[in-house]
Parts: sequence; C-alpha cells; structure tokens
Amino acid sequence: AQRVTQPEKLLSVFKGAPVELKCNYSYSGSPELFWYVQYSRQRLQLLLRHISRESIKGFTADLNKGETSFHLKKPFAQEEDSAMYYCALRVKTSYDKVIFGPGTSLSVIP
Amino acid sequence: DTGVSQDPRHKITKRGQNVTFRCDPISEHNRLYWYRQTLGQGPEFLTYFQNEAQLEKSRLLSDRFSAERPKGSFSTLEIQRTEQGDSAMYLCASSIGGYNEQFFGPGTRLTVL
Repeated sequence: AQRVTQPEKLLSVFKGAPVELKCNYSYSGSPELFWYVQYSRQRLQLLLRHISRESIKGFTADLNKGETSFHLKKPFAQEEDSAMYYCALRVKTSYDKVIFGPGTSLSVIP
Repeated sequence: DTGVSQDPRHKITKRGQNVTFRCDPISEHNRLYWYRQTLGQGPEFLTYFQNEAQLEKSRLLSDRFSAERPKGSFSTLEIQRTEQGDSAMYLCASSIGGYNEQFFGPGTRLTVL
C-alpha cells in the first residue's frame, strides 16, 4: 500500500540551528516526492520536489530509495520557517494521485 | 487574485442538510482536484477532473458525495445528508496536466452540527 509517514507532529528548534523534518514512504513503484508548506493563514504551497534537485528558501531534500526516505533539511533555521510541512508522494498509475503525510509543525524559537 | 478560489470559506450546517462548495481553478489549468483535510492530518485525495471528465474517485467518497465540472472550468462538490464526520476542510487544487505543480485554494471549512 502507498503511504507517507512523518514521525514528528511537532518540532521546535532555535533560530540558527539545523533542522531536519523526517519523511518516509511506502511505494512499490518509482517514487516522485514533494514537500509542501503551509504558513500561518496562508494556503498550502509547493516547497520543492525531488526531481528538481533544487534548494528553496535554503531547504533541500534528498531521496534515499534504500531507506525510502525524503527528509527535509536546512542548515540554519529562521523564524519565518515556522509553518506546517507536509511530505507528499505522487503515485504513478493510470491516474494521477498525490498522497500526503500527516504533517510536521515546525516552530523556530527566536 | 489569479489563484484558485473557493466559495464559501466557511459553512456551518445541521446534520442531514445538503451542502455545495464551489472551486474556481486557475484559468488555463485543465486538472482540478478535491481533497479533504481533518485536524492533525494531511490532505486526503477525494477526486479529480481532467477538463470536464471525472477520472478518479477515492473510496473515501461515499455515494453522498458528488462532484461536477460541467464545462471544464469551475467545479462543485456536493455533500448530501451531511453527517458530523463530514466536518473537515475541503481543499481544491488545480494544475496544468498531471505532472506539474498543484496550486491549492484556501479551502472551505465545513462544520456539521
């Protein structure tokens, strides 16, 4: 079964500290993974996708197929990074379906 | 605002009533998705359209739920005989094709009393 897990519901870090939000997935096919972010009072938006291999707002994520993980990392957290982060998996079948994880609420302490 | 819009933003209804939500996607987007999000969970896929064709429905979508996209533009999601378990945030998203970024609307928060 396809599934996305995010083991931490809440994560608090101090400003300037490194941050890592964990994501694991279960999927028998070739995975396509995303991180979405929702800032307070804003709509859900795409942060990054693994196929782009880009850094957005200082965040990076590497797909590790052996560990079935797609952890989101940033070396120095900023207060404006405080938000809800969702890991998502696109299931490639005859139709298009994106499965979201339960989310991790990141709080950056000044 | 040229983003995805949803109406209403909030809806309070009594159990057993019917409700209808509207989503207006970004104008050139041919794909439109509906998700449901409950407290503490990520969005759960409900259904999606390519133009006016409804291509997939989740098992979450009971026969009390129906969605339409009559002219391939806006979409409506109707819930008949609402139940308290239907209380959730209903999100709409749109994209160009199936493999491009989905842009989300602000959501409609439904409360069933």
